[in-house]
Amino acid sequence: DAKTTQPTSMDCAEGRAANLPCNHSTISGNEYVYWYRQIHSQGPQYIIHGLKNNETNEMASLIITEDRKSSTLILPHATLRDTAVYYCIVTRSGSARQLTFGSGTQLTVLP
Amino acid sequence: GAVVSQHPSWVICKSGTSVKIECRSLDFQATTMFWYRQFPKKSLMLMATSNEGSKATYEQGVEKDKFLINHASLTLSTLTVTSAHPEDSSFYICSGIRNTEAFFGQGTRLTVV
Repeated sequence: DAKTTQPTSMDCAEGRAANLPCNHSTISGNEYVYWYRQIHSQGPQYIIHGLKNNETNEMASLIITEDRKSSTLILPHATLRDTAVYYCIVTRSGSARQLTFGSGTQLTVLP
Repeated sequence: GAVVSQHPSWVICKSGTSVKIECRSLDFQATTMFWYRQFPKKSLMLMATSNEGSKATYEQGVEKDKFLINHASLTLSTLTVTSAHPEDSSFYICSGIRNTEAFFGQGTRLTVV
């Protein structure tokens, strides 16, 4: 699986959009970008994933650059409950699905 | 999304005793489950792959005789930490696979005293 690079931490004001970047310059053509988050002392929660097109669901939007070497997770209206560690993972969908977690980004939503 | 349930959520045990952690897929069948360990302020590290009806596959550096995995049914995998020591204190998390996607349990906080 391709390696990802994320900022260690970010702050965001409550109600504002949180934009979390991820670099994955060695991504292969058959690898997807997945985002999970982990609220303190809980298991990871799936957020969204995509291959090359931008994706949106009820939780977030995923913007993937045209060259697929980076992506941005957008939480449109961050709340205090969005404070968590966000993990960007690149992996082949349909594989055994053990996931390799990097260090992630600690997002703190400030009141 | 699919539901994966772990039990217990937390456990405290004495050094030298064994602890069993259960991971259940509540609304799907999981032929494969994964066990992760997470130390404070660190990321999740894969420990082993649990396969229904066959032996588990362990990651390098994980002692198979210490971390016993049993996956006897399509909805249950168990991790037993044998002869636990304080250095085994950690957050243990399992995941089940449904339609090639991973769904995680809520985790088990193990404290060995």
